[in-house]
Amino acid sequence: DGGITQSPKYLFRKEGQNVTLSCEQNLNHDAMYWYRQDPGQGLRLIYYSQIVNDFQKGDIAEGYSVSREKKESFPLTVTSAQKNPTAFYLCASSPGGTGDQPQHFGDGTRLSIL
Amino acid sequence: AQSVTQLDSHVSVSEGTPVLLRCNYSSSYSPSLFWYVQHPNKGLQLLLKYTSAATLVKGINGFEAEFKKSETSFHLTKPSAHMSDAAEYFCVVSPYNQGGKLIFGQGTELSVKP
Repeated sequence: DGGITQSPKYLFRKEGQNVTLSCEQNLNHDAMYWYRQDPGQGLRLIYYSQIVNDFQKGDIAEGYSVSREKKESFPLTVTSAQKNPTAFYLCASSPGGTGDQPQHFGDGTRLSIL
Repeated sequence: AQSVTQLDSHVSVSEGTPVLLRCNYSSSYSPSLFWYVQHPNKGLQLLLKYTSAATLVKGINGFEAEFKKSETSFHLTKPSAHMSDAAEYFCVVSPYNQGGKLIFGQGTELSVKP
């Protein structure tokens, strides 16, 4: 079955530590996205990529970094500069960045601070 | 600026009664509109989408939504609620020519009482 796989499901970060969240898709989609979800809020866009080797900052990119070396993979690194990283992180993909095509979501990674 | 407002943060219905989740949007051009559902600790699943075709859109699990341009609304309805419908629902706008970026409403939590 095609879909998006996020790992791990739960992740804990120590102070001053960088952590990387994995996102892999086998849908052959060009565009991929990372969102942050906090309780009682909608999703906020962190970074997005419309094509391999290219990505753009979203609304809350500070303290995060990404790479897009392969079409299937779009890992997100939460750096020590992100002072409030506790949240639910969701990865999504879509066939293209035209806006009329819905995004497909993974099941998320929940990040907490130790 | 584009925005989405979900008018109720929480809606409670009895099983077998109708569901109405309200959404108003603001967009300079004709946007694409979506409704997604999220069950606890899961990703978002697409319920339905509007992309300038028929104004009454039918989705999965008996849900439908009507696009009303004059009222800038895109309310989600279902004739008869089921216990499995209890979840968080997000109204989402994809503005025209914005590279597929999505704008999320704050979400409406639907509770279904037996």
